[in-house]
Amino acid sequence: DGGITQSPKYLFRKEGQNVTLSCEQNLNHDAMYWYRQDPGQGLRLIYYSQIVNDFQKGDIAEGYSVSREKKESFPLTVTSAQKNPTAFYLCATGTALGPDTQYFGPGTRLTVL
Amino acid sequence: AQSVSQHNHHVILSEAASLELGCNYSYGGTVNLFWYVQYPGQHLQLLLKYFSGDPLVKGIKGFEAEFIKSKFSFNLRKPSVQWSDTAEYFCAVNEGPGRRALTFGSGTRLQVQP
Repeated sequence: DGGITQSPKYLFRKEGQNVTLSCEQNLNHDAMYWYRQDPGQGLRLIYYSQIVNDFQKGDIAEGYSVSREKKESFPLTVTSAQKNPTAFYLCATGTALGPDTQYFGPGTRLTVL
Repeated sequence: AQSVSQHNHHVILSEAASLELGCNYSYGGTVNLFWYVQYPGQHLQLLLKYFSGDPLVKGIKGFEAEFIKSKFSFNLRKPSVQWSDTAEYFCAVNEGPGRRALTFGSGTRLQVQP
């Protein structure tokens, strides 16, 4: 919770532009996750990473890309290929060892105009 | 693929009423189960979790949940709700030692009237 920072809180972009959402953590967790939240649909997994320099597609990865060059950082790029990018994006972290509890950041609300 | 169902989308209760929110999942193997809460304008917070052991788990703020394996259910309960419990509640599951990412239900919006 307090150790996960997402910026900015609100983001506006024009259609056709790529945009990168930041997620930084100081919890020393190995695993990081990106979820997308839409009204009435709960949270859906976009990408996750269990270790630096490795990441896996989630259930709705199309139109998104990520990188994991540092343990503390897991930025998400929403590309112009994402057909419906307006949503609330949540970053989470976890220990990646055994049963794992995930901790969530405050989220970024992206609006594409 | 794993799925999680929360059948109550919007629940309205008066203060002091009892609460039970349903959660069912589809995976037949080992699961870890969670309830998260999202208060208006706040982060998603963990209410409680079940990994193994006693199927009745207690969480923060007087919430509890019961894991019933035969029914693939993990219902959330609270004997007496307060106005401050107004929030959206999400059930989530991950599949034992395999996939650690969570599969979420669609959420239940709880509105408690004073």
